[in-house]
Amino acid sequence: GAGVSQSPRYKVAKRGQDVALRCDPISGHVSLFWYQQALGQGPEFLTYFQNEAQLDKSGLPSDRFFAERPEGSVSTLKIQRTQQEDSAVYLCASFWAPGAEAFFGQGTRLTVV
Amino acid sequence: DAKTTQPTSMDCAEGRAANLPCNHSTISGNEYVYWYRQIHSQGPQYIIHGLKNNETNEMASLIITEDRKSSTLILPHATLRDTAVYYCIVSDLYNQGGKLIFGQGTELSVKP
Repeated sequence: GAGVSQSPRYKVAKRGQDVALRCDPISGHVSLFWYQQALGQGPEFLTYFQNEAQLDKSGLPSDRFFAERPEGSVSTLKIQRTQQEDSAVYLCASFWAPGAEAFFGQGTRLTVV
Repeated sequence: DAKTTQPTSMDCAEGRAANLPCNHSTISGNEYVYWYRQIHSQGPQYIIHGLKNNETNEMASLIITEDRKSSTLILPHATLRDTAVYYCIVSDLYNQGGKLIFGQGTELSVKP
C-alpha cells in the first residue's frame, strides 16, 4: 500500500473489555514500532519488532498489553481488560531499516468508558 | 527519556522563515539529530536528519552547531499548513533499532 494503515481509526471500549488494534506496515519494511500518545503529550514508545521478532517491549505499561507480528508484516496490539487510563491514540510506525525515515500511520484513537 | 530541550511554543508569520531551536547538550558521537512534525490528528511525519553537517531537503534545512550540542530547524517560507508540533530527537538508531524517543516538542503556529 501507499502508507502505514491502522484500523480501526476509532474504538470505544467499555472498561474491562479486550481490544485489538491492527497495523499494516509498508510492504517490505522490516522494522515496526508501536507508540501510545496521550492527549497533549508526545508519542511514547511501547514495543518494537524486527520482522517477526519482538526485540524490545520495555515500553508496554502492564502485562495487559501484548503485541505480535507473527509473519513479519501485519502487527496487532492487544489490550486486555481495558482501563480508563488506556485511553489514548495508538500509533504504528514502520521503517525499511534502522536509521531510515519512519513512516507513521494515522493512529487508532481508543476511548475507554 | 527525551534527551532534547525545545521551547514549548512559537509563532511565525506566513511567508517568513521559521527557526526552531533544539538543545541536545548530552548528545554522543554516534547519535543523529532527527526532526519530525505532527499535524493535528495525524501521525508524525519525518522532516530531516543529520549527524554533524548541515542538511537541506525540499522541506527544511537543519543547522547543527560545531560542538553538536544544539541545532536549528529552518522552514524557509512558512505556510499555514506548517502549523504543527515539531519534535527534535537524538538517537543512535543504527544501534537502537530505530527507536525514537519523543519529548514534548514545539508547537509552531503560523499566522496569516
